[in-house]
Amino acid sequence: GQNIDQPTEMTATEGAIVQINCTYQTSGFNGLFWYQQHAGEAPTFLSYNVLDGLEEKGRFSSFLSRSKGYSYLLLKELQMKDSASYLCAPMDSNYQLIWGAGTKLIIKP
Amino acid sequence: IAGITQAPTSQILAAGRRMTLRCTQDMRHNAMYWYRQDLGLGLRLIHYSNTAGTTGKGEVPDGYSVSRANTDDFPLTLASAVPSQTSVYFCASSDRQGSVDEQFFGPGTRLTVL
Repeated sequence: GQNIDQPTEMTATEGAIVQINCTYQTSGFNGLFWYQQHAGEAPTFLSYNVLDGLEEKGRFSSFLSRSKGYSYLLLKELQMKDSASYLCAPMDSNYQLIWGAGTKLIIKP
Repeated sequence: IAGITQAPTSQILAAGRRMTLRCTQDMRHNAMYWYRQDLGLGLRLIHYSNTAGTTGKGEVPDGYSVSRANTDDFPLTLASAVPSQTSVYFCASSDRQGSVDEQFFGPGTRLTVL
């Protein structure tokens, strides 16, 4: 079957660094997406990895290891506005996204 | 219109009633999707359409139907609503042409079935 595993909730301090992990099992693989979702709002695209390694985009970076079925999202210099849920979503062989339940990130001053 | 819109924003519906959720995009994207999002669960795909004139079933299609008469519109119909269909519904679209097939989401419809 297809399965996504990520922590339910994490807490971090403003200005710090946090790493959100995601492990996955899918039928085929066509890349992995990370989305951000603020409470009461729609998900918005953050990053995409299709090859192993690190993709950096400003304060956000995403890493992928296809052989381990593992990805992480790294957020640096945390700001209060980063308080949101972060959704891990690998794409399967049918080009459908398989969504994790998301990690709720709480930023404290 | 800029991007993807959904209507209504929210709705309270009596069980057994028929309801159509509307979704329109102006990005000329080929693919469109309907998801439901429930507390503690990931987004679950209801139906999708890879191109105008075609539709497919997702993970949780029962009780829902869709049509894709043109590129821009992708309505979702609940023929006879039940309380378990209380959820937040998101419509999304993607280009299916570029190297990164990111999905763009509408603002969502919050549906309560009593």
